[in-house]
Amino acid sequence: EADIYQTPRYLVIGTGKKITLECSQTMGHDKMYWYQQDPGMELHLIHYSYGVNSTEKGDLSSESTVSRIRTEHFPLTLESARPSHTSQYLCASSRDTANYGYTFGSGTRLTVV
Amino acid sequence: RKEVEQDPGPFNVPEGATVAFNCTYSNSASQSFFWYRQDCRKEPKLLMSVYSSGNEDGRFTAQLNRASQYISLLIRDSKLSDSATYLCVVKDVINNNDMRFGAGTRLTVKP
Repeated sequence: EADIYQTPRYLVIGTGKKITLECSQTMGHDKMYWYQQDPGMELHLIHYSYGVNSTEKGDLSSESTVSRIRTEHFPLTLESARPSHTSQYLCASSRDTANYGYTFGSGTRLTVV
Repeated sequence: RKEVEQDPGPFNVPEGATVAFNCTYSNSASQSFFWYRQDCRKEPKLLMSVYSSGNEDGRFTAQLNRASQYISLLIRDSKLSDSATYLCVVKDVINNNDMRFGAGTRLTVKP
């Protein structure tokens, strides 16, 4: 049973639209992450948060933004979607301890036409 | 140089084969190590943690060599269902306990 939820699971949207990808976790984890992954390619970190009101950009430059107003919620927003944003977006969360791994959501597969 | 490097793959093996994946990491301060499994178009899922003394979980054996900064995953008696991408992951306090993922090694087990 998933403790981290992403919606929508699939999204097809037109160029120029504003979209928000939702991610929520029920585990009380302080740390949350957004990754972008193209098919067959490696994960790229685009945003992360260490707690409420904490957000940072990741290794991969992204035109998206994030917010962390509540511990359990970490939405990602694209103000103006473009075809280059077509990808899978994966959300993850973790405790801030060395021996604890990440739990990933099922992902949102975004297609911008 | 990437922080975590894995065998490029892909590995194509017959059912029943034994296959080993290797991974090296650059940060000697890395403290925690994991193997994740990712099926096609799915999210990564934790396969197993890697302990200093090595550990086994059924057909899977993980080894860690801190001196050489090297991690391995051995799969014995491969099953068709083992076909997936295997991600090597390290974690360290210097990087705020954030995970660093390898690019992954793709395994295909054939009948």
